[in-house]
Amino acid sequence: NAGVMQNPRHLVRRRGQEARLRCSPMKGHSHVYWYRQLPEEGLKFMVYLQKENIIDESGMPKERFSAEFPKEGPSILRIQQVVRGDSAAYFCASSLDRLGVQSPLHFGNGTRLTVT
Amino acid sequence: DAKTTQPPSMDCAEGRAANLPCNHSTISGNEYVYWYRQIHSQGPQYIIHGLKNNETNEMASLIITEDRKSSTLILPHATLRDTAVYYCIVMEYGNKLVFGAGTILRVKS
Repeated sequence: NAGVMQNPRHLVRRRGQEARLRCSPMKGHSHVYWYRQLPEEGLKFMVYLQKENIIDESGMPKERFSAEFPKEGPSILRIQQVVRGDSAAYFCASSLDRLGVQSPLHFGNGTRLTVT
Repeated sequence: DAKTTQPPSMDCAEGRAANLPCNHSTISGNEYVYWYRQIHSQGPQYIIHGLKNNETNEMASLIITEDRKSSTLILPHATLRDTAVYYCIVMEYGNKLVFGAGTILRVKS
């Protein structure tokens, strides 16, 4: 089984540009989570989505960041007008069901965003 | 905020058992203990989880004290590839994983 696939692995953007990060969950998984890891810091929850719905976006910055998980296709994390402080590793995770006993999170290997 | 306390770092000799402690004194009855690890520049990897009974799988064993206020992750025969940051997380069903600082485990030959 293919794991959680994220692309691109590395993304370089100039300040002010848009960044689009893609995440294809494991087959059969309909729950997707996005985390951000700033350099030398821990993993911070950003948003939890289920197909076509945002369930919890308590960790998303109020401006410039948005996420979607359409009925067809990958989940997208979109960052508009990127700034240097957005440089980080962005990890996507998926689960079969709402996170719990039978459904641990499976993570991808991340997208490393560098803003120049 | 993380509800667990872990030592910042530990060393272990290759081939020996690595015992990683975790304190979660405020854990509630319906919260599970999860362990993940993150090898440098990779995404976190699920290891094991449990509620109150000890658990074992192909990667590790999880020992939870009877009062559930602490637990230990055991890697029975550590290898160099087990060098990673290990995260102990307590979480209620259906909630989100909140990662703390974890324990840096260095396995040395």
